[in-house]
Amino acid sequence: RKEVEQDPGPFNVPEGATVAFNCTYSNSASQSFFWYRQDCRKEPKLLMSVYSSGNEDGRFTAQLNRASQYISLLIRDSKLSDSATYLCVVTMNTGNQFYFGTGTSLTVIP
Amino acid sequence: GAGVSQSPSNKVTEKGKDVELRCDPISGHTALYWYRQRLGQGLEFLIYFQGNSAPDKSGLPSDRFSAERTGESVSTLTIQRTQQEDSAVYLCASSLLAGGKWEQYFGPGTRLTVT
Repeated sequence: RKEVEQDPGPFNVPEGATVAFNCTYSNSASQSFFWYRQDCRKEPKLLMSVYSSGNEDGRFTAQLNRASQYISLLIRDSKLSDSATYLCVVTMNTGNQFYFGTGTSLTVIP
Repeated sequence: GAGVSQSPSNKVTEKGKDVELRCDPISGHTALYWYRQRLGQGLEFLIYFQGNSAPDKSGLPSDRFSAERTGESVSTLTIQRTQQEDSAVYLCASSLLAGGKWEQYFGPGTRLTVT
């Protein structure tokens, strides 16, 4: 079983739409949680950390549900520039072993 | 400040040749990782260095792959007798402890093409 699972999509949404991605993880001992963004033919970049209390950064909101072992990312008022692959990442053990999901592809359509 | 850098950015090699890829992590980052990403696929963990501890080599796909790191600085990933299935982007990342959790930062990658 994979450590981290994501729906690969693709998600195709119109500009201005709200879109949500979910990710599940298998190890209840997972310590830290992140969302990364990867543009086509570019390296992944840290988008935001995910905290148990939930956290918001502008149009982006991340939530963690430890009991159900899933994390989510909500994007409001989608922009064309949000088109990318979103990677769910968890860490284990000492906190610096990273496990990446295969990513969810988002295309925002004009 | 300076991010993770990798060289070369692109490498085309003939099947059977050896290649060496370089990664310069962010200064002060004790952990360094190598990943492979084939076209249209997710990240595949290769190897992880943490300070002076023995590296975690569990992701290396075969004994043709090896990596070294000198202290907490530059790392090299070596692929011997390259095969066409080695064609991929090789990504290096380094991490630091920030706000009680480790955050990982990636270099731009080396795109390897084996002909």
